[in-house]
Amino acid sequence: DVKVTQSSRYLVKRTGEKVFLECVQDMDHENMFWYRQDPGLGLRLIYFSYDVKMKEKGDIPEGYSVSREKKERFSLILESASTNQTSMYLCASSPPLLEQYFGPGTRLTVT
Amino acid sequence: AQKVTQAQTEISVVEKEDVTLDCVYETRDTTYYLFWYKQPPSGELVFLIRRNSFDEQNEISGRYSWNFQKSTSSFNFTITASQVVDSAVYFCALNPPGGGADGLTFGKGTHLIIQP
Repeated sequence: DVKVTQSSRYLVKRTGEKVFLECVQDMDHENMFWYRQDPGLGLRLIYFSYDVKMKEKGDIPEGYSVSREKKERFSLILESASTNQTSMYLCASSPPLLEQYFGPGTRLTVT
Repeated sequence: AQKVTQAQTEISVVEKEDVTLDCVYETRDTTYYLFWYKQPPSGELVFLIRRNSFDEQNEISGRYSWNFQKSTSSFNFTITASQVVDSAVYFCALNPPGGGADGLTFGKGTHLIIQP
């Protein structure tokens, strides 16, 4: 079975802190993705990566950056957390052209 | 631009009823993939089905069935004899033009409540 894990299920951070969300997949997938999910807005793509050290902006990249130093790991970084970044963050991975497999999500609260 | 519309925000039915979740999509591309995902209260999205644009055959998997109609740009999902465990948010999604590494375009989801 494909397994995508995220470093934390719940996280509480203060405004201005630097936040790291980690995602690891064990299926050697080329593609990895970060989404955020908000009530009424659905899932929105933040960043994706199709190879090590490669990254592409999604629909809402502002305030975020990513890092992919190894194929299995894709990190989302909030350089200076703000309250409007309080959300559920979902990581996914996939082979090219096929379905994405999602991790359990990290519910981030910024106070 | 592409778009996925799930017009039903919330559906509530009594257990054992059949229920259909609607999905309408827009894309200019002739080659694309459509997906359905389930998100139970635990939060993790679970992949249910993938359908490519050239395959209009309906699919059945146990109590689940999917009706893909390219003529109406719809990819509807029916649960037969619903059960309480089917309660979840269901998302329809579209792979972008070219089927590349881009993220999926999701609908806003339908919250399905199955009452005992």
